Amino acid sequence: EDKVVQSPLSLVVHEGDTVTLNCSYEVTNFRSLLWYKQEKKAPTFLFMLTSSGIEKKSGRLSSILDKKELFSILNITATQTGDSAIYLCAVHGSGNTGKLIFGQGTTLQVKP
Amino acid sequence: NAGVMQNPRHLVRRRGQEARLRCSPMKGHSHVYWYRQLPEEGLKFMVYLQKENIIDESGMPKERFSAEFPKEGPSILRIQQVVRGDSAAYFCASSRTRDRTNTGELFFGEGSRLTVL
Repeated sequence: EDKVVQSPLSLVVHEGDTVTLNCSYEVTNFRSLLWYKQEKKAPTFLFMLTSSGIEKKSGRLSSILDKKELFSILNITATQTGDSAIYLCAVHGSGNTGKLIFGQGTTLQVKP
Repeated sequence: NAGVMQNPRHLVRRRGQEARLRCSPMKGHSHVYWYRQLPEEGLKFMVYLQKENIIDESGMPKERFSAEFPKEGPSILRIQQVVRGDSAAYFCASSRTRDRTNTGELFFGEGSRLTVL
């Protein structure tokens, strides 16, 4: 059965800290790994990763995929209170139905 | 260009009643997915539909739950005889296509929060 596991489940940091969120997966016929940010409403797309070793970057956020070891990390540098959210990792695989398998999420709280 | 639209945003039902949740995908999207999110948990896949077809319903409970995506109108997730355990946020997502170039990005609506009293 396809599985996505995120760690830690929750994290509390102070503004300015750097955080690393982890996502490991077991999936048949891997296609891509996606990161989403969820505040009080709809998950919003952050990154899509398909190739190992290529870092994707957007401002203070970056992510990388290791297809050999089956994991990805999401880094946030110089955290701000606005980064407080649930970060969801999802994997697209297991045939081509298009569905994403989500991890349980990491709840990040950034304190002033 | 409106995003994925879900309604109602909040729905309260008593045990035994029916809940109907609606989802209009983004313009140009013909694939709809429903996910359920319980408090403190990630998103659990329920069902994937294209117009007039259910493609994958492997995440749907076998009883009381059904989904449709008619030729005209929104996709509907229907829960009959609701129980307290059905209380959750139900998210709809859409995508353009599932051809070989599709690497999986889904666009989510803001969710419908169902509370069963």
